[in-house]
Amino acid sequence: EDKVVQSPLSLVVHEGDTVTLNCSYEVTNFRSLLWYKQEKKAPTFLFMLTSSGIEKKSGRLSSILDKKELSSILNITATQTGDSAIYLCAVPHTGNQFYFGTGTSLTVIP
Amino acid sequence: SAVISQKPSRDICQRGTSLTIQCQVDSQVTMMFWYRQQPGQSLTLIATANQGSEATYESGFVIDKFPISRPNLTFSTLTVSNMSPEDSSIYLCSGGTANYGYTFGSGTRLTVV
Repeated sequence: EDKVVQSPLSLVVHEGDTVTLNCSYEVTNFRSLLWYKQEKKAPTFLFMLTSSGIEKKSGRLSSILDKKELSSILNITATQTGDSAIYLCAVPHTGNQFYFGTGTSLTVIP
Repeated sequence: SAVISQKPSRDICQRGTSLTIQCQVDSQVTMMFWYRQQPGQSLTLIATANQGSEATYESGFVIDKFPISRPNLTFSTLTVSNMSPEDSSIYLCSGGTANYGYTFGSGTRLTVV
């Protein structure tokens, strides 16, 4: 059965800490993996990863895909309170629909 | 990435009534989807909105309860019909392509009283 699993489910850190969020997947005909940040209502797109071993970076956020391990990590360095959110991992499958992980709830304490 | 405008952003509705949510995309997108996110849970796909034909519904969701329209490649609506308190949720539309990723509308927070 196809699935996407994220860990940890929740995380509380202090400002300035570095965090690593994990996403593992078992999806038939895997093509890509996407990371989203969700505050309040709508998820905002962070990264789309298609190639193994290539890091995508945007400011303090970076992500990398490991197709051999069927996983991806999202790193956030020098965390700020504005990073507090739910981080969702999603994998498209047949018909371009998504499997979503349950999300990691990150809380950054001042 | 496409930019999606969704409205209304929130509404409080009486049980038994219906609400139509609209999503407008700033460019033509191949795929559009409707999701529901109940409190404390991840996103659940309601249906894929197909341009010019009936939507494809996921298990547990039916057209009579959640009719969807998609008259063109930039616009879609979801109606939540005959609402009950269990329909209180955030509803999100999403659109995009497999090559360039998917974005979400700003979401509609629905409360049924």
